Amino acid sequence: ETGVTQTPRHLVMGMTNKKSLKCEQHLGHNAMYWYKQSAKKPLELMFVYSLEERVENNSVPSRFSPECPNSSHLFLHLHTLQPEDSALYLCASSQDRVIYGYTFGSGTRLTVV
Amino acid sequence: TQLLEQSPQFLSIQEGENLTVYCNSSSVFSSLQWYRQEPGEGPVLLVTVVTGGEVKKLKRLTFQFGDARKDSSLHITAAQPGDTGLYLCAGAEGYQKVTFGIGTKLQVIP
Repeated sequence: ETGVTQTPRHLVMGMTNKKSLKCEQHLGHNAMYWYKQSAKKPLELMFVYSLEERVENNSVPSRFSPECPNSSHLFLHLHTLQPEDSALYLCASSQDRVIYGYTFGSGTRLTVV
Repeated sequence: TQLLEQSPQFLSIQEGENLTVYCNSSSVFSSLQWYRQEPGEGPVLLVTVVTGGEVKKLKRLTFQFGDARKDSSLHITAAQPGDTGLYLCAGAEGYQKVTFGIGTKLQVIP
């Protein structure tokens, strides 16, 4: 399998649940990202990992917790989310300099009820 | 405030027509990226332009980076239904900060 793979594709969770989103890249890239995409808003960068170290956390609430165990895998752990957290969560990867562009996964459509 | 303004936000055209979408900012970018996103999928990188005034062609798509590296345009010739999707531009400042526009939603009617 090639590219960036995200699972699950769809997730419905209650506000008291704990769930995790998974991302795997098979491109040999050394940086991985979590983005949030909501209707009528630009993509919002949530977290950046470079060489498995978190290098950026854009004021994301603590109910979102990222984990990067190695350069190929990225997780987003979710707990006690709010309905306004419903969105498309996109994982992306890049090699070195992001100025040349990202490779995105297909995303996880999250609905919080 | 939208740092990268895309226009128009919506566009519905007939198959075979030409169209241009724009991406404008007051910021200078190291590069400008264009993506296409289809419903239920992630954005797919179409092209990256790096040099001011640069023009790149991808089949029927022509991308231009402004001379001052603050704006870009995407022109599609003889649009096809397969061109339908959300077109996103993204500007990179330095080597790590990337700002996305809201996108232009294109519908090509057969």
